[in-house]
Order: sequence, then C-alpha cells, then structure tokens
Amino acid sequence: EAQVTQNPRYLITVTGKKLTVTCSQNMNHEYMSWYRQDPGLGLRQIYYSMNVEVTDKGDVPEGYKVSRKEKRNFPLILESPSPNQTSLYFCASSSPMTGGELFFGEGSRLTVL
Amino acid sequence: SQQGEEDPQALSIQEGENATMNCSYKTSINNLQWYRQNSGRGLVHLILIRSNEREKHSGRLRVTLDTSKKSSSLLITASRAADTASYFCATAASGGSYIPTFGRGTSLIVHP
Repeated sequence: EAQVTQNPRYLITVTGKKLTVTCSQNMNHEYMSWYRQDPGLGLRQIYYSMNVEVTDKGDVPEGYKVSRKEKRNFPLILESPSPNQTSLYFCASSSPMTGGELFFGEGSRLTVL
Repeated sequence: SQQGEEDPQALSIQEGENATMNCSYKTSINNLQWYRQNSGRGLVHLILIRSNEREKHSGRLRVTLDTSKKSSSLLITASRAADTASYFCATAASGGSYIPTFGRGTSLIVHP
C-alpha cells in the first residue's frame, strides 16, 4: 500500500530537548516536504527536498533542520524546541512523473512545554 | 509566503445544496490543486488543474481556473454530511519548486 509514515504521531516534550520526527515514503517519490499547521494559518511549508542531498527552505524554516540521505526518508529535526513550535506537522511526498499530487502522512502533533 | 488564499473561511450549508469555494493566488502557476482534510487528519488530494486548463470534473467536484484573474473555484454539487471537512487550494509557482504551498483553507459544514 502506498503510504507516507510519520513517527511519532504524538509527542510532548520540554523546551530545549532535541527531537526528530521521522518521515518515510514507499512510493519512490523524488519530492518530499514538511508543513506545519496552526489554527487560522493553514499549512505553511517548512522545508522541501527535490531529491537525495537536495534540500531547500520553505516559508518558515527557522528552528528546524532536515536531511535527505536516502530517497525514502526525510526527517525533521528540532535541535532546541521552543513552545512556538507546538503544532501539527505533516510530511508529504510527490513525484513530477505523476503530476505533482502530494501524498500526506497522518500528522505528528507536537507539544513543547 | 502562502500563495493561495481561500474564500470564504467558513461555509455552512444544508445537505443537498451546492458548495462553492474560491481560491486566489499571487503569481503565475504551473498547476493548482485542491485538497480535503478531515479534522486533524492528513490531507487528501481531490483534483489537479494545469495552468492551460480551464475546467475539470471529478464525480461531484467541478474545478475552474481563470489564470487572467489568478483565481480558481471548487464546486461540490449535491453536498452530503460526509463532505464536512476543510478544503485547501495549493499552488505550484512557475519557475519555482514543483512542491505546492497552501492557503488557509475553507471550513465546510454540511448539515444533515
């Protein structure tokens, strides 16, 4: 089954404690991206990657890092989380070969105390 | 910055009525997509319309695109209670990354 898998789905952590949200897709998609969703603000793009070892900033990259060492994985790293990073995070993948339709994970709800 | 903006922010209708949502964007695009999100879940792709297309249909969905006005509309005909969700437009800008950015969404409530 084609899917994008994020982990963890829920996490409560404290300010400054490094954490990683993993994202994996099984569709051999070239493109992967991270979004955060906050009430009233819709989805805002954090980082995206157009292929292995190619990453670029989206609209709200501050406080986040990403890496794309393998095609299937695109982890989101919060080196020193702060309360303003409390949000619902979505990973998505797509391919230009199939028109660019995004496939989303189920989301990771992060709370930073 | 967010490229697309949906209007209205919220829409409440009765089952059987049509629902129309609009999306305006700022720069030239390669394509425009509409997505649906049930509360707190991942987004699901509904339909993609390319910049050289003017109208597209998929089941009860009809999407139009007016590139001269930089706007699109999503029409859901004969709505059902199960259509209750948030709807987002997403645009991939010409000459930019092919990965779309999203608007704030329209929250649709369909009353049975």
